[in-house]
Amino acid sequence: DTEVTQTPKHLVMGMTNKKSLKCEQHMGHRAMYWYKQKAKKPPELMFVYSYEKLSINESVPSRFSPECPNSSLLNLHLHALQPEDSALYLCASSQDYGTGGDQPQHFGDGTRLSIL
Amino acid sequence: GQQVMQIPQYQHVQEGEDFTTYCNSSTTLSNIQWYKQRPGGHPVFLIQLVKSGEVKKQKRLTFQFGEAKKNSSLHITATQTTDVGTYFCAGPGNSGGSNYKLTFGKGTLLTVNP
Repeated sequence: DTEVTQTPKHLVMGMTNKKSLKCEQHMGHRAMYWYKQKAKKPPELMFVYSYEKLSINESVPSRFSPECPNSSLLNLHLHALQPEDSALYLCASSQDYGTGGDQPQHFGDGTRLSIL
Repeated sequence: GQQVMQIPQYQHVQEGEDFTTYCNSSTTLSNIQWYKQRPGGHPVFLIQLVKSGEVKKQKRLTFQFGEAKKNSSLHITATQTTDVGTYFCAGPGNSGGSNYKLTFGKGTLLTVNP
């Protein structure tokens, strides 16, 4: 069982739709992450939140909009996505951000997103 | 930016054979982490190595961190079908300015023939 919960598990949307991905953790972690993973590729970092503040935005297009309502929740709002945005979107958390890259991360099961 | 190179990309073995994947960095790493992702699953943290020359074991898995902290390896003894998956190494990479992020190698996909 994963300690990071992501919903929905699967999402199919059109290019004009607006949807949101949700992530929740109850481990008391203070850093949360969004990754994008294409088939047969490693996860690519999109955003990092540390203590509910956006710490890193890896030059992600504005059609992806992250939100961290509180220390347990992380959302990713989607609007006007392109077919190339189809991928597995993974949420992860770590105890804190530290100096970056030095904290083990716990991943959720991911949301498999398909853009029609 | 920082890149962590991982080889081989694929490895197919007969059940019972050993398996090794290697990770290399051009710069010294403060630490290296290993993750396993089963087909259709999500990455699962296996271990973190911090010290130069460190060796850690988890049952049939042996993890090593090089003396110069630039390379690492994961060795599985007597593979089983449950070992199938992609093994990623990951280390700190620069994300611009003073920010660092976990940077993943490309992974090694292990398949095991029963």
